[in-house]
Amino acid sequence: DQQVKQNSPSLSVQEGRISILNCDYTNSMFDYFLWYKKYPAEGPTFLISISSIKDKNEDGRFTVFLNKSAKHLSLHIVPSQPGDSAVYFCAASEDNNNDMRFGAGTRLTVKP
Amino acid sequence: NAGVTQTPKFQVLKTGQSMTLQCAQDMNHNSMYWYRQDPGMGLRLIYYSASEGTTDKGEVPNGYNVSRLNKREFSLRLESAAPSQTSVYFCASSGMTGGPIDTQYFGPGTRLTVL
Repeated sequence: DQQVKQNSPSLSVQEGRISILNCDYTNSMFDYFLWYKKYPAEGPTFLISISSIKDKNEDGRFTVFLNKSAKHLSLHIVPSQPGDSAVYFCAASEDNNNDMRFGAGTRLTVKP
Repeated sequence: NAGVTQTPKFQVLKTGQSMTLQCAQDMNHNSMYWYRQDPGMGLRLIYYSASEGTTDKGEVPNGYNVSRLNKREFSLRLESAAPSQTSVYFCASSGMTGGPIDTQYFGPGTRLTVL
């Protein structure tokens, strides 16, 4: 039973436009939500996070929005750049990381 | 500073063979993790070690054993490999920075095929 779902396996956007990646979860006990980025043949790297006491967190071109009532979060990348092309994983945990659950990932392609 | 290193990078096993995947980190982190990544499934936690001397099961521990050899090293052993264990295995580590979330740092992965 996947507790974290990313229903779009892929997304293609034009350079300079906004990329919106979505994630849904089923476990209402999740406290922390994270986004990881993964390039081919590399391990995932941390991108941005948000705790359940907030509804928005921003870091440069990356913003994560959390809607607890809908059990939904999204990652916005503005403006998108070709170097952002990667697989993006949404992850969530109940108690600060020890048992983090990942979504299946969304492959983002940013076209020049 | 190498971060998290994993050996080997690739491995092919026959069903029933055993092997150990090695992981080491040089960031003085307390916690270490083993994940597997399968197509359409994301990463799933196999085992983790919150500190030296402790290990705990994650979401998919069956068929695996782990050893936290010291603070730097965390190994994953397959005693009798099965085709269902064909996957990409990632090791990760995280420190106790005192912040609300400890970022996990991942190794480059080991691609394992069991025939």
